[in-house]
Amino acid sequence: EAAVTQSPRNKVAVTGGKVTLSCNQTNNHNNMYWYRQDTGHGLRLIHYSYGAGSTEKGDIPDGYKASRPSQENFSLILELATPSQTSVYFCASGGQYEQYFGPGTRLTVL
Amino acid sequence: GEKVEQHESTLSVREGDSAVINCTYTDTASSYFPWYKQEAGKSLHFVIDIRSNVDRKQSQRLIVLLDKKAKRFSLHITATQPEDSAIYFCAASLNTGNYKYVFGAGTRLKVIA
Repeated sequence: EAAVTQSPRNKVAVTGGKVTLSCNQTNNHNNMYWYRQDTGHGLRLIHYSYGAGSTEKGDIPDGYKASRPSQENFSLILELATPSQTSVYFCASGGQYEQYFGPGTRLTVL
Repeated sequence: GEKVEQHESTLSVREGDSAVINCTYTDTASSYFPWYKQEAGKSLHFVIDIRSNVDRKQSQRLIVLLDKKAKRFSLHITATQPEDSAIYFCAASLNTGNYKYVFGAGTRLKVIA
């Protein structure tokens, strides 16, 4: 049974629109992460969280917000989506060592 | 901040040969180095890691070497099989606090039958 799930799996949004990507984990990990994957850049960290109620900026936070309302759920919010945010987004949960990744969300901003 | 460079963007090997993927990092405080595999159209899954208190780790056909002085680590896949074809990512972590990773750009490995 998948321990990290993401929704939606695919999303097409319009420029200037609001987009919310959701992530749920059943690993009971304190730490959760949002990455984007772009060719030539690998995975880059957008936001992360230590636990319910906390969010921290990662390496590329501009244009994104995050929300961690509970241990299990971590959302990534694009208030005003732009075409440059077209990418594949991965959520992960982790403890001290290994991180466990969700299946990814392919976002296209037109 | 930490930067991780993955030296081979693509790599082709013949089935049965060994493949080597090299990564370097910049922060001497990094102490945990995982490797992930991403098959076409899928997510990432963990394959092997190494911690800074050792310089070699093996798991079946996978060997990871760590050279702390050179700030370099490498993944060796021995006796490659077609199912090893994938993108491999290295990462480095300070392994404290938030345990966040910095990833390399990935190496696309193709194993030719």
